[in-house]
Amino acid sequence: SQELEQSPQSLIVQEGKNLTINCTSSKTLYGLYWYKQKYGEGLIFLMMLQKGGEEKSHEKITAKLDEKKQQSSLHITASQPSHAGIYLCGAEGYAGGTSYGKLTFGQGTILTVHP
Amino acid sequence: DGGITQSPKYLFRKEGQNVTLSCEQNLNHDAMYWYRQDPGQGLRLIYYSQIVNDFQKGDIAEGYSVSREKKESFPLTVTSAQKNPTAFYLCASSPTVYNEQFFGPGTRLTVL
Repeated sequence: SQELEQSPQSLIVQEGKNLTINCTSSKTLYGLYWYKQKYGEGLIFLMMLQKGGEEKSHEKITAKLDEKKQQSSLHITASQPSHAGIYLCGAEGYAGGTSYGKLTFGQGTILTVHP
Repeated sequence: DGGITQSPKYLFRKEGQNVTLSCEQNLNHDAMYWYRQDPGQGLRLIYYSQIVNDFQKGDIAEGYSVSREKKESFPLTVTSAQKNPTAFYLCASSPTVYNEQFFGPGTRLTVL
């Protein structure tokens, strides 16, 4: 089965600082999803990456998928307290396999932003 | 207002009792999913359904059962056979299995 490793497990930053969260797969990914979760709530979809080298941005959040499609990064510029939460990456199977929309998730990265 | 609803938000049950968690969506999505989340862990797939009257086991289906008799509803029953049922349960849906998933607010189940 596919495993996703996120790093770091937790991150504490001062408001205004930039930060990066990484998601690494043991296999080539078919699709990579980023979600954000407030504690005790559901997940909010952020972005989906599918092509090697793809990069997407929404407001101050940028997600990238490397050319080999085994690593993705989520970068937040000028962090704000509203960015605090748990960030999870989810992978939709791997190249050459059958996904049927089954997502495997990383363990999550807990982000704290101090005002 | 379109979306996914889960009820109740908090649920307490005695050990040995079966309990059913509700998940309803009015997004007209074909696919629906149930995940379990434990502290410090990501989500793990319990069951998923690609279409009405069809469902498949996920990675941790033992001790759980589901039904998909209506497109908008995908209830999850946690049976007494589930060894460690206390967890946060999340339901999700997507237009098809090849689209991003949209999540409900979750149900926190505590077995006493």
